[in-house]
Amino acid sequence: DQQVKQNSPSLSVQEGRISILNCDYTNSMFDYFLWYKKYPAEGPTFLISISSIKDKNEDGRFTVFLNKSAKHLSLHIVPSQPGDSAVYFCAASAVDTDKLIFGTGTRLQVFP
Amino acid sequence: DVKVTQSSRYLVKRTGEKVFLECVQDMDHENMFWYRQDPGLGLRLIYFSYDVKMKEKGDIPEGYSVSREKKERFSLILESASTNQTSMYLCASSLTTTNEKLFFGSGTQLSVL
Repeated sequence: DQQVKQNSPSLSVQEGRISILNCDYTNSMFDYFLWYKKYPAEGPTFLISISSIKDKNEDGRFTVFLNKSAKHLSLHIVPSQPGDSAVYFCAASAVDTDKLIFGTGTRLQVFP
Repeated sequence: DVKVTQSSRYLVKRTGEKVFLECVQDMDHENMFWYRQDPGLGLRLIYFSYDVKMKEKGDIPEGYSVSREKKERFSLILESASTNQTSMYLCASSLTTTNEKLFFGSGTQLSVL
């Protein structure tokens, strides 16, 4: 039972344009959401997070949007750069647990 | 910067062998985790630990055990390796108990033949 879903396994975007990565969740108890980025042969690294009390969080080129009613979050990268090419995982945690539940990942390729 | 070190980058073992995967963190973090990453399945939690000698089962603990004798070290043990345990294993640590931010090691690619 996949509680956190990333339905697009891959995404290809031209450099300079916007990348939008999507994530859906089923557990209404999730109250904190994170995005991680993973390059080949490296471990995932934290990118950006958002609490359920907010609907938007911005950090430079990266913005995460949360739509609680739709149980949907998205990561926007603008402008996209070739160095952003990586696998992106969304993750969620609930207040009554100490476990992060990860999605299946989306491979982003940014081409020149 | 937090450093999480996994002892082996690649490991090849035979079915039935006992396998030890070691992980060390240098930031005095309370919490440590073991995940495995498989194509199409994302990262799945195997075991985690809040403190020395404490452990909790994750979502897929079957066939695995863990050991945390020292705060900085968290070991994953495959009691009798099987081919379906071929995977990328990722160790992580975090300071807080809310899992807000995990720091990951580079991973161990284990192949069980």
